Amino acid sequence: DQQVKQNSPSLSVQEGRISILNCDYTNSMFDYFLWYKKYPAEGPTFLISISSIKDKNEDGRFTVFLNKSAKHLSLHIVPSQPGDSAVYFCAASEKSSGDKLTFGTGTRLAVRP
Amino acid sequence: GAGVSQSPSNKVTEKGKDVELRCDPISGHTALYWYRQRLGQGLEFLIYFQGNSAPDKSGLPSDRFSAERTGESVSTLTIQRTQQEDSAVYLCASSLEPYWGYNEQFFGPGTRLTVL
Repeated sequence: DQQVKQNSPSLSVQEGRISILNCDYTNSMFDYFLWYKKYPAEGPTFLISISSIKDKNEDGRFTVFLNKSAKHLSLHIVPSQPGDSAVYFCAASEKSSGDKLTFGTGTRLAVRP
Repeated sequence: GAGVSQSPSNKVTEKGKDVELRCDPISGHTALYWYRQRLGQGLEFLIYFQGNSAPDKSGLPSDRFSAERTGESVSTLTIQRTQQEDSAVYLCASSLEPYWGYNEQFFGPGTRLTVL
């Protein structure tokens, strides 16, 4: 069963506007959530994370929001830049099971100049 | 410093053959993970090594898959009697010892395995 879901396989946004990527999860034991960014032929790179005790974490242009009651998190990129074009993976971990990550299927973001 | 490296970058093999994939983690990283990404799918956890603890093999899809790690260095993932459904990009990641919070996992570029 897919415990982490990204229902939008792709998203296209105009440069300078906001990009919002969404992620839903089903396992209430997850206590850490992360976003990874992946370019073709490269491994994923860590972008931003949030602990389940918080509802928002901000790092420059990137903000992650967590709604535990809805089991939903989102990544906001403001302003979007062409270099942000990549595949974004949502991931979650359950500390009691070590730091192994459960990933979503990814959302391909295209930022149009 | 050097990141996580994996070899080979590409591997094409015939169904039924055995393959061995290698991962060199970042020096000093005690945790090492293997994931795979099949076409159109997310990354799927396979196995996790942490120091001298018994590895977490809960993600290995069948007994044809096995992995070893020498101390806190190189790891090899072996797939015996490969099947076409094993075709995927196999990714290795390493991190510092997890003790609280979350330790960032650094990924290698992956090995693309194609089983004909």
